[in-house]
Amino acid sequence: GESVGLHLPTLSVQEGDNSIINCAYSNSASDYFIWYKQESGKGPQFIIDIRSNMDKRQGQRVTVLLNKTVKHLSLQIAATQPGDSAVYFCAEKGWTSYDKVIFGPGTSLSVIP
Amino acid sequence: NAGVMQNPRHLVRRRGQEARLRCSPMKGHSHVYWYRQLPEEGLKFMVYLQKENIIDESGMPKERFSAEFPKEGPSILRIQQVVRGDSAAYFCASSQVNNEKLFFGSGTQLSVL
Repeated sequence: GESVGLHLPTLSVQEGDNSIINCAYSNSASDYFIWYKQESGKGPQFIIDIRSNMDKRQGQRVTVLLNKTVKHLSLQIAATQPGDSAVYFCAEKGWTSYDKVIFGPGTSLSVIP
Repeated sequence: NAGVMQNPRHLVRRRGQEARLRCSPMKGHSHVYWYRQLPEEGLKFMVYLQKENIIDESGMPKERFSAEFPKEGPSILRIQQVVRGDSAAYFCASSQVNNEKLFFGSGTQLSVL
């Protein structure tokens, strides 16, 4: 549902390793899922999206996996780079144009050079 | 093609004053979202608007907060009689009709003294 007032979980990875960021979404009726990256002092930036009729989608160095059975979404970043350090948010939306986009609580990714 | 423009970037108000935050969506976008973000937290949905119409304002506090997106001009988020608890980053995002991909502005950081 709505993101709540919790401090962000943190993930630290070595430069060059793969990163996996997980997200549990709340609404089984959600039809569309998005991952955003937010760097310090900036607005969220779109990374990749996936619809509920898919279970995997690949982009450049990123892959999103969707498991509707357990309402779980993950973002995989290959060969993580220092520029990937940021907070990553998953977001969900229902299938109608009147449904709002709801963000998860976020994960802070820190890349160790 | 300019992105989503928010102004001011920083806004300082004293308790009891009014705050007006502006958002100009991307060209061709007719839907606007407002989100609020506290430090180290996620984005909390406030309101979803299309031109001259509020689609969903379920995240807006019942008092002191209002939003509009007129036929001409930017979307405005208005906070009357601000209190210290209103201090936060307020982000605006826009999207095209029937396209869920949101594009975010750089945000307005509101500080209430």
